[in-house]
Amino acid sequence: DIQMTQSPSSLSASVGDRVTISCRASQSISSYLNWYQQKPGKAPELLIYAASSLQSGVPSRFSASGSGTDFTLTISSLQPEDFATYYCQQSYSTPLTFGGGTKVQIK
Amino acid sequence: QLQLQESGPGLVKPSETLSLTCTVSGGSISSSGYHWGWVRQPPGKGLEWIGSMYYTGTTNYNPSLRSRVTISVDTSKIQISLRLTSVTAADTAVYYCTRRGAGYPGQMDYWGQGTLVTVSS
Repeated sequence: DIQMTQSPSSLSASVGDRVTISCRASQSISSYLNWYQQKPGKAPELLIYAASSLQSGVPSRFSASGSGTDFTLTISSLQPEDFATYYCQQSYSTPLTFGGGTKVQIK
Repeated sequence: QLQLQESGPGLVKPSETLSLTCTVSGGSISSSGYHWGWVRQPPGKGLEWIGSMYYTGTTNYNPSLRSRVTISVDTSKIQISLRLTSVTAADTAVYYCTRRGAGYPGQMDYWGQGTLVTVSS
């Protein structure tokens, strides 16, 4: 199985801050990397697919990059609605696997 | 707009079988290009992929659950089903139905709202 490791597991930030979340795969997954946002009590929602492509309807303050084993999700200016948990997920091979999540909290 | 809605018992006894159904509206599950499957999330924990089925009937399961899980699709009812046998407390989780693109990049672009299943006597 491909292991996905996210860091940090949680962070505190203020509205307007720039936030960066990292995700590392245990082997190369090319650009088969997706990012999801999950708010409490809700289903995850797709933010980014193919490592850097913004899902339709997702604000442009979200961006992502990376390929191979190292990936990054960036929120350029954190908004109140962005406080949530973020997961990376590899779709390179089955079993599909997720990172452990990064909880973005209000400072 | 595609919508997925999970349904099934919220409480299952240990050693019994968990059965859930996902009803799809606003689209077809018999067209090519998508896998239909399940992801679960134990309370307060992360996401675990259970498995999926392609419209041709080909299935893929997480090896950690393969011996206990069956996913099937009823195209006439536009439903995806999940069966998980011999459940234990470790199977307590919110279960999500998902649509995943086939091939690259294989993102899960639609999710149901989720249904909590508790395993307890």
